[in-house]
Amino acid sequence: AQKITQTQPGMFVQEKEAVTLDCTYDTSDQSYGLFWYKQPSSGEMIFLIYQGSYDEQNATEGRYSLNFQKARKSANLVISASQLGDSAMYFCAMRPSWRNQFYFGTGTSLTVIP
Amino acid sequence: NAGVTQTPKFQVLKTGQSMTLQCAQDMNHEYMSWYRQDPGMGLRLIHYSVGAGITDQGEVPNGYNVSRSTTEDFPLRLLSAAPSQTSVYFCASTPSRFQETQYFGPGTRLLVL
Repeated sequence: AQKITQTQPGMFVQEKEAVTLDCTYDTSDQSYGLFWYKQPSSGEMIFLIYQGSYDEQNATEGRYSLNFQKARKSANLVISASQLGDSAMYFCAMRPSWRNQFYFGTGTSLTVIP
Repeated sequence: NAGVTQTPKFQVLKTGQSMTLQCAQDMNHEYMSWYRQDPGMGLRLIHYSVGAGITDQGEVPNGYNVSRSTTEDFPLRLLSAAPSQTSVYFCASTPSRFQETQYFGPGTRLLVL
């Protein structure tokens, strides 16, 4: 069974500082994809970043990077130089390569303080 | 491309009423799914479909029906609404490559009184 755990219900960060949002996953699959989504107060789900289980390098997309530690089964999202617009819910998700189904964590609410 | 569209955006129902949440995608994806989102619980899978004519239950299917007569459309039916079904509902469409993200609709906010 697949399980995604986000242990930080809420996080605060000062504007322009970096923040790490934690995500651990439990799977017996060897091939899978890891995803992070942002959900602002307007409600839409916005795809941020993807990491493949066989990718040797950590994924980066602008100010977002994914700290992938396969042995620990963790896929933490790092947001650098936080902006007020980063205040939102953030969800970690996993998709096994053999299934089209996504498995989501319960999310972390990030608040950026001016 | 419009991507994934959902209607309505908001809906208020009385207990016992039925309704259908509409979902359509124009990306020719075979796999589509319905989630509900409740505070503190993330997204929970209600039903999914791997292609026209094929549907299956997810984690929380009770009280909901789906059908998939075409690749494009995947409606979700609430048979007899209950206050416990008050939630935000997302439809999603998924490409076959596992490296690709799901595409989400804008969501439907449902309140059952």
